Amino acid sequence: DAGITQSPRHKVTETGTPVTLRCHQTENHRYMYWYRQDPGHGLRLIHYSYGVKDTDKGEVSDGYSVSRSKTEDFLLTLESATSSQTSVYFCAISDRHTTGNEQFFGPGTRLTVL
Amino acid sequence: AQRVTQPEKLLSVFKGAPVELKCNYSYSGSPELFWYVQYSRQRLQLLLRHISRESIKGFTADLNKGETSFHLKKPFAQEEDSAMYYCALLSGGYQKVTFGTGTKLQVIP
Repeated sequence: DAGITQSPRHKVTETGTPVTLRCHQTENHRYMYWYRQDPGHGLRLIHYSYGVKDTDKGEVSDGYSVSRSKTEDFLLTLESATSSQTSVYFCAISDRHTTGNEQFFGPGTRLTVL
Repeated sequence: AQRVTQPEKLLSVFKGAPVELKCNYSYSGSPELFWYVQYSRQRLQLLLRHISRESIKGFTADLNKGETSFHLKKPFAQEEDSAMYYCALLSGGYQKVTFGTGTKLQVIP
């Protein structure tokens, strides 16, 4: 597996609380992504980053924010968690010059919002 | 906007039977397409990409621009092929990827 980890791996939280998920890479890849995986919806892009401090929205960005202050870390924050944000969250990395356009995925974080 | 459609949520085939997982896309530019696979309890991983025109684990996929399709095929299914398969489209200068909804392949012994 590429050097990409996610923390925490599992989290249960209550509606209205803030939650931060962390993605950490040791590959020095330029691009990082956050997806959510839901039955019937597949993988949907939440936010992505194309460099330090450079981020953009994906197709399901409402209710989420991200930050990337250094190359290796990409944080996903749910400002006020809702039950609709119960999902499995995947981080991915890629770098056009070293891996072509292949994405490498983390192990996922299972988030349950009660 | 780009879109990837995988019409089958579940595809069940018998071992040794041919497999075809369908993928259609819509994109105004020149597409770069991929198939990713997620085996049980494993990470999502790349299976193959159209630009390399390779065969991985017996699977092939041909880009048909006229039909805007990138179907995944294997002549003889094996039990170990049982997994979730995602078709994906790369677009834009920032390597934004759009995934389909996925097809679960179940190979019956």
